[in-house]
Amino acid sequence: QSALTQPASVSGAPGQSITISCTGTSSDVGGYNYVSWYQQHPGKAPKLMIYDVSNRPSGVPDRFSGSKSGNTASLTISGLQAEDEADYYCSSYTSSSTLVFGTGTKVTVL
Amino acid sequence: EVQLVESGGGLVQPGGSLRLSCVASGFTFSSYSMNWVRQAPGKGLEWVSYISSSSSTIYYADSVKGRFTISRDNAKNSMYLQMNSPRDEDTAVYYCARGRVRGDYWGQGTLVTVSS
Repeated sequence: QSALTQPASVSGAPGQSITISCTGTSSDVGGYNYVSWYQQHPGKAPKLMIYDVSNRPSGVPDRFSGSKSGNTASLTISGLQAEDEADYYCSSYTSSSTLVFGTGTKVTVL
Repeated sequence: EVQLVESGGGLVQPGGSLRLSCVASGFTFSSYSMNWVRQAPGKGLEWVSYISSSSSTIYYADSVKGRFTISRDNAKNSMYLQMNSPRDEDTAVYYCARGRVRGDYWGQGTLVTVSS
């Protein structure tokens, strides 16, 4: 199972919006509505930010939103804040009943 | 409060063995599927293995199949990863994560270093 493809880095100024893409295949992202997004700060464990494509766990700011079209999922951060600077990973359930993660995106707040 | 605490990491020689543990608290452990996910130094996340709530269903990544064994003891609220014949490329922080199709809670991780 190959990793899902994400851009290596995305940046934006405070208050701006950024979008991170996550491209897979019909055997993972395109085949199931089980795409999740995780935020990871340096030296910390990943934190679930979005699940089932577009749902936010309790406590996650509504600045974070998710969507999917075909084999590509997206995470949008609106009103970018300094604390959003982190690595972000997507993941998807697969047709092999396993999970696959994305390559990861480093978000920089300018 | 949901808590997952991993332990058992350390230095292991190639071809040796190591057992990782994940102890859960704050939820009914026996009702939840669990996963092991690892992260090599400076690299991304890699799913390693899955075990269902009753241990009836188990899956492994191709990279560890035949070498690693996942198990759980619901009476002890614990999950395990037996690592046999580890290779240099197995060096990583190993996290346990709760859930079937997502990791809604994660432990803090335990570092495994494979080196002679």
